[in-house]
Amino acid sequence: KNQVEQSPQSLIILEGKNCTLQCNYTVSPFSNLRWYKQDTGRGPVSLTIMTFSENTKSNGRYTATLDADTKQSSLHITASQLSDSASYICVVSANSNYQLIWGAGTKLIIKP
Amino acid sequence: NAGVTQTPKFQVLKTGQSMTLQCAQDMNHEYMSWYRQDPGMGLRLIHYSVGAGITDQGEVPNGYNVSRSTTEDFPLRLLSAAPSQTSVYFCASSYRQRANSPLHFGNGTRLTVT
Repeated sequence: KNQVEQSPQSLIILEGKNCTLQCNYTVSPFSNLRWYKQDTGRGPVSLTIMTFSENTKSNGRYTATLDADTKQSSLHITASQLSDSASYICVVSANSNYQLIWGAGTKLIIKP
Repeated sequence: NAGVTQTPKFQVLKTGQSMTLQCAQDMNHEYMSWYRQDPGMGLRLIHYSVGAGITDQGEVPNGYNVSRSTTEDFPLRLLSAAPSQTSVYFCASSYRQRANSPLHFGNGTRLTVT
């Protein structure tokens, strides 16, 4: 069964610190992996899309990594800001029918 | 550009009532979709459309209808509301139904069915 699991479920860090969010997936055949940021009360916003051949992709202070062999991805946030408080959702696209398999998200809280 | 606009933002229904959630996009996107988001779960696809006049079922279509008469609009109809349909509903669009097309989301409709 195609699944995406994220850890931790929630995370609290101090402003200015770095953090890493994890995503493990069992999706086949794999097409790409996406990270979305969802602010409270808003819709998700795309951060990155990574294909099979991409190991690392950055978007400002956000850096996503992908290991297609171990089926793992991580999202690293550098020098966190209060505005980074949000849920971060990992989504894997299955190649066969453009199906998107959504993780439940990691809720990140940045404290001043 | 307004992007994806959803109305209403909040709605309370009684069991058995019907209603339509509105979704409009101004990006000339071919692909539009409806998701529901429930606590502790990933987004689940209800229905989607790859162009005007074409719709198809997603993962959880029961109790919902859609139509796509124009490129811009993709309304979601609840036929006879049930408490199990209490959720946050998101409309999303993308340029095409392609693997590398990012989805653009509206800000959701929070629906409560009593």
